[in-house]
Amino acid sequence: LAKTTQPISMDSYEGQEVNITCSHNNIATNDYITWYQQFPSQGPRFIIQGYKTKVTNEVASLFIPADRKSSTLSLPRVSLSDTAVYYCLVGDRGSTLGRLYFGRGTQLTVWP
Amino acid sequence: DVKVTQSSRYLVKRTGEKVFLECVQDMDHENMFWYRQDPGLGLRLIYFSYDVKMKEKGDIPEGYSVSREKKERFSLILESASTNQTSMYLCASIQKERGGEQFFGPGTRLTVL
Repeated sequence: LAKTTQPISMDSYEGQEVNITCSHNNIATNDYITWYQQFPSQGPRFIIQGYKTKVTNEVASLFIPADRKSSTLSLPRVSLSDTAVYYCLVGDRGSTLGRLYFGRGTQLTVWP
Repeated sequence: DVKVTQSSRYLVKRTGEKVFLECVQDMDHENMFWYRQDPGLGLRLIYFSYDVKMKEKGDIPEGYSVSREKKERFSLILESASTNQTSMYLCASIQKERGGEQFFGPGTRLTVL
């Protein structure tokens, strides 16, 4: 079961770019890397997913180096509403498809 | 839009009661999950199901059971609720393909007195 390590918390100011790095040394060949966002009293919400190199969508970018042992979620020009917990996950190579290990996540706080 | 619904947002039960938490998804997803979330511990997987009547234990199955009689519905059962089961319970579903997006319900905050 591939587990991840990410900072417990990060602080930023409005308008700045935020980069959250996640370590996943035991990632398996067929595993994807996925990031979720969670606001208080809500379920997590999918942000972005990638396998290698760089992926970009309307919300964020995901950078994955060639060895895939880490990944970086990049949030451009954050606002107060980006204050949330961010989870980095990798897919499980176990017998059941779809299982993911969430870990404790990174609490991002954006200040005015 | 995919929708995952949970039967209650807030629930208060007494120690020893049998508790049912219901989850329904409307996207014909094969896999469904139950997590609990506690401060500082992130999401921990209780049980998951990859098909009707199929289930597998997650990381913390003790004190819980599940039922999946229909593809769209996955129930979490606390046979005899205890105070240490006070938590936020989250249900999720995902299509069968690896790497698919998990869709979460709004959560049920359960308090056991």
